[in-house]
Amino acid sequence: GAVVSQHPSRVICKSGTSVKIECRSLDFQATTMFWYRQFPKKSLMLMATSNEGSKATYEQGVEKDKFLINHASLTLSTLTVTSAHPEDSSFYICSARGQSTNIQYFGAGTRLSVL
Amino acid sequence: QKEVEQNSGPLSVPEGAIASLNCTYSDRGSQSFFWYRQYSGKSPELIMSIYSNGDKEDGRFTAQLNKASQYVSLLIRDSQPSDSATYLCAVNMDTGTASKLTFGTGTRLQVTL
Repeated sequence: GAVVSQHPSRVICKSGTSVKIECRSLDFQATTMFWYRQFPKKSLMLMATSNEGSKATYEQGVEKDKFLINHASLTLSTLTVTSAHPEDSSFYICSARGQSTNIQYFGAGTRLSVL
Repeated sequence: QKEVEQNSGPLSVPEGAIASLNCTYSDRGSQSFFWYRQYSGKSPELIMSIYSNGDKEDGRFTAQLNKASQYVSLLIRDSQPSDSATYLCAVNMDTGTASKLTFGTGTRLQVTL
């Protein structure tokens, strides 16, 4: 299967700081990347969809000014959680999909803890 | 609202038995269906994809799809303790560049010794 790398795997930060998470497709070109959030014992909730070279599409209820997404190349998307607060603490997971498939491959996830 | 429904479990099966995981979905126009396995604290990993009615087998895993009944299932034969995880059913409910997956809440499987 395709490989998606996500970094960092864990972040602990103070309230008010910004955190950047990177998602890279290592062996394929990801025309579309997705960002999910998962709270304990809950399912994955899609936050936004990003297509290379265009603005991300955010799901209802997700603040685009708080969760900044950049998909500048076919192998890299970043999610920046701006002015993080304790309620932003969660497991953030990216996935990537190539041009000729609808299969999503997931990164390892980033566990964010905001103190 | 487009939904994917799964029994949250836990589903407990003895080692060596067949585990049967079920999923229903609301959008009759859905075309692509996926099963992901998620270990505690880890991200999902793809087990199976299925697009046509009927069965699709891969090793110990068999996915079954019935579009008329809007039902997809996953069978795990010869269950092993390492199969203990949460199994997520995902359905692709849109098409083209707008397509995205809708996940069920997952079924937690426990394989006992």
